[in-house]
Amino acid sequence: AQKITQTQPGMFVQEKEAVTLDCTYDTSDQSYGLFWYKQPSSGEMIFLIYQGSYDEQNATEGRYSLNFQKARKSANLVISASQLGDSAMYFCAMRELQNFVFGPGTRLSVLP
Amino acid sequence: DVKVTQSSRYLVKRTGEKVFLECVQDMDHENMFWYRQDPGLGLRLIYFSYDVKMKEKGDIPEGYSVSREKKERFSLILESASTNQTSMYLCASSLAAQWEVQPQHFGDGTRLSIL
Repeated sequence: AQKITQTQPGMFVQEKEAVTLDCTYDTSDQSYGLFWYKQPSSGEMIFLIYQGSYDEQNATEGRYSLNFQKARKSANLVISASQLGDSAMYFCAMRELQNFVFGPGTRLSVLP
Repeated sequence: DVKVTQSSRYLVKRTGEKVFLECVQDMDHENMFWYRQDPGLGLRLIYFSYDVKMKEKGDIPEGYSVSREKKERFSLILESASTNQTSMYLCASSLAAQWEVQPQHFGDGTRLSIL
């Protein structure tokens, strides 16, 4: 069964606008972590932001914030003030104990 | 900053060859991982290692083996390379303590072509 779902294969956003990338997850564990990574066309995976299952506050990191809704099992990434350099693949991932699971990714294109 | 180094960015090998992909990290991380990434299939876990000399199968271990003789180095071995192993291979490492909030740090990847 799919543990991480990203329902948006591709997204477009106008430069300087905000965009939300969706992620839902499935786990029966009480302890887990949620992560977002960015993969530009050059191929490297860049860690952006994390949220622990026990964290009550939504995580923020510069222009990135994570909208964590535990009861809905969702962990959406919000990018504010989009820049052309934000164009990339974005992966949502979950860590359960000692294993990582990645979602299929969303390709974000920022339009000038 | 954490540095994860993969030995080759691009590699071309022939069917039937034994192929070694090397990964080294410099942050004393206990956990190390090998993934392959294919278009439309995302990242799939091949093997991971909790610590030195320990290894666990991931989702797609068939045709691969791994070695972790030293904490900083995690090697992926293709015992007899086949064309369906042409892919992008990504190595990652992470700390074990407070694992829920420890991200993986990735190398730049190796694009492997098997001819």
